[in-house]
Amino acid sequence: GQNIDQPTEMTATEGAIVQINCTYQTSGFNGLFWYQQHAGEAPTFLSYNVLDGLEEKGRFSSFLSRSKGYSYLLLKELQMKDSASYLCAVTDSNYQLIWGAGTKLIIKP
Amino acid sequence: ETGVTQTPRHLVMGMTNKKSLKCEQHLGHNAMYWYKQSAKKPLELMFVYNFKEQTENNSVPSRFSPECPNSSHLFLHLHTLQPEDSALYLCASSQDYGDSSYGYTFGSGTRLTVV
Repeated sequence: GQNIDQPTEMTATEGAIVQINCTYQTSGFNGLFWYQQHAGEAPTFLSYNVLDGLEEKGRFSSFLSRSKGYSYLLLKELQMKDSASYLCAVTDSNYQLIWGAGTKLIIKP
Repeated sequence: ETGVTQTPRHLVMGMTNKKSLKCEQHLGHNAMYWYKQSAKKPLELMFVYNFKEQTENNSVPSRFSPECPNSSHLFLHLHTLQPEDSALYLCASSQDYGDSSYGYTFGSGTRLTVV
């Protein structure tokens, strides 16, 4: 079966750095997404990786290793507004999006 | 403003009621999706419409009935629901079905409670 694993919950301190990991086992691979979802709001697109390596976008970076079936989302200089759930999703060989259950990130002052 | 608008934001209905969820997008996207989001579970794809034609129906019970009158509007008709159907129902759109690189644009969802 197809599976996306990510931690259920993480806690970090304002101003610090946090890394949210995602591992996947899917039938084929056509890209990996990270979405941010604040409570009661729409998931919003953060990043898309299709090739190995690190993609940096301001305070957020996303890394992909296709050979290891692994990605991480790195958040720097954490702010209270970064408290949200972070969803990892992989596009399989049929272009179906396979979703993880999300990681709830709690930021403490 | 996410570009995808869902109404209502909250809905409480009895098991014998009939109600409809509405989704609207004016992004010029050709594909629209219904997802179910339950606590601590991955998003579950329910239905996919591509150019107004239904392309996916992931074994969804018949008490959920989708309708796509045009490429900008999507409905989910509900009847005889069960308490376990209580969840957040999200609508999403993308430029084309299977278009990966730009991701999906989601609405804020309808929080449904079945009593």
